[in-house]
Amino acid sequence: AQTVTQSQPEMSVQEAETVTLSCTYDTSESDYYLFWYKQPPSRQMILVIRQEAYKQQNATENRFSVNFQKAAKSFSLKISDSQLGDAAMYFCASTSGTYKYIFGTGTRLKVLA
Amino acid sequence: DTGVSQNPRHKITKRGQNVTFRCDPISEHNRLYWYRQTLGQGPEFLTYFQNEAQLEKSRLLSDRFSAERPKGSFSTLEIQRTEQGDSAMYLCASMGKGRLETQYFGPGTRLLVL
Repeated sequence: AQTVTQSQPEMSVQEAETVTLSCTYDTSESDYYLFWYKQPPSRQMILVIRQEAYKQQNATENRFSVNFQKAAKSFSLKISDSQLGDAAMYFCASTSGTYKYIFGTGTRLKVLA
Repeated sequence: DTGVSQNPRHKITKRGQNVTFRCDPISEHNRLYWYRQTLGQGPEFLTYFQNEAQLEKSRLLSDRFSAERPKGSFSTLEIQRTEQGDSAMYLCASMGKGRLETQYFGPGTRLLVL
């Protein structure tokens, strides 16, 4: 069975600073995908970044990057140059070939002006 | 707007009543998911459709829950004999056919059972 664990219920970061959100996962599948989703208050969930497990190179999307440690089953999200609009719930998720997505419990990110 | 839409956005009902929610996915997407999200938690997978076929169903989906996607386009989620524990946000998401497609989420339907 797949599991996804986010151990940080809440994080704060000063505007323009860098913050890292943690995620660990467990799966018996060899082929799987990992995701970070952002859910702003009262708004739709959107994909931030995606990592294919077979790729060794860490994914990056503008100010967002991941640190994918396959052996440790760790998948952290780094947000650089944090902006007020980054304030949201962030969910880590995984899926394997069955297309069933498993989400973590989320980390609430506060951005301080 | 060509995103995923859900109706109604909010629903208040009394315990024991039946409710039905609708999801309209992005038109070319053949895959559709339903999730339930309670306060402070991540989305919990409920069920998955590929076209009109319901391919996977969570154990969370008790006999009181049923989902359909009759023509492979919109989907409905029905909850019969609602209980207070059913109060949650019900999210729908759709995806295209490719292996590396992205899930697009709708705004959700917030259900409150009194």
